[in-house]
Amino acid sequence: DVKVTQSSRYLVKRTGEKVFLECVQDMDHENMFWYRQDPGLGLRLIYFSYDVKMKEKGDIPEGYSVSREKKERFSLILESASTNQTSMYLCASNPWDSYGYTFGSGTRLTVV
Amino acid sequence: AQSVTQLDSQVPVFEEAPVELRCNYSSSVSVYLFWYVQYPNQGLQLLLKYLSGSTLVKGINGFEAEFNKSQTSFHLRKPSVHISDTAEYFCAVSRGSGGSNYKLTFGKGTLLTVNP
Repeated sequence: DVKVTQSSRYLVKRTGEKVFLECVQDMDHENMFWYRQDPGLGLRLIYFSYDVKMKEKGDIPEGYSVSREKKERFSLILESASTNQTSMYLCASNPWDSYGYTFGSGTRLTVV
Repeated sequence: AQSVTQLDSQVPVFEEAPVELRCNYSSSVSVYLFWYVQYPNQGLQLLLKYLSGSTLVKGINGFEAEFNKSQTSFHLRKPSVHISDTAEYFCAVSRGSGGSNYKLTFGKGTLLTVNP
């Protein structure tokens, strides 16, 4: 089975800290995505990548950046964490010619 | 641009009753449609998808959905629910193949609660 692994299940960070959320997939998928999930708002796309070193902004990229140096790893970076970035973050991947994602279990980030 | 509207934020039902979770979409081009399920404290899991062909799509766990192009709807149904179906359900739309077209736009979710 395809596995998408997010390095931390729960994370607590302080306002102003630089935060790295890591995501690794083991099935050689070209496309990788970062979403945040908030109650009543569903999932909103932050960034996605369809190849190594390629990235595109999603619907809510402000305050975030990403890095994809290797095909299997897609990192989400909060340059200076703020309390309004407290959320559940979900990583997903899929192959170039396929539909539907495989999701990781999520990282619940709390910024205090 | 495409968008997805899930018409009910919460749906409570009794065990063994039928259920329908409603989803409408808007898009200026042909779309591909998906339903995902999220159990408590887990990531999302694909239930079913419509890409082309028969408008009635069957998925896992006894769920099915019907694509209705004229009404721009993709409602999810199950004839008899179990307690274990309690979860949040997300409808999603994609424009299709190639690069950024693969990205999914999600609805806000419907919390299905099955009571004994």
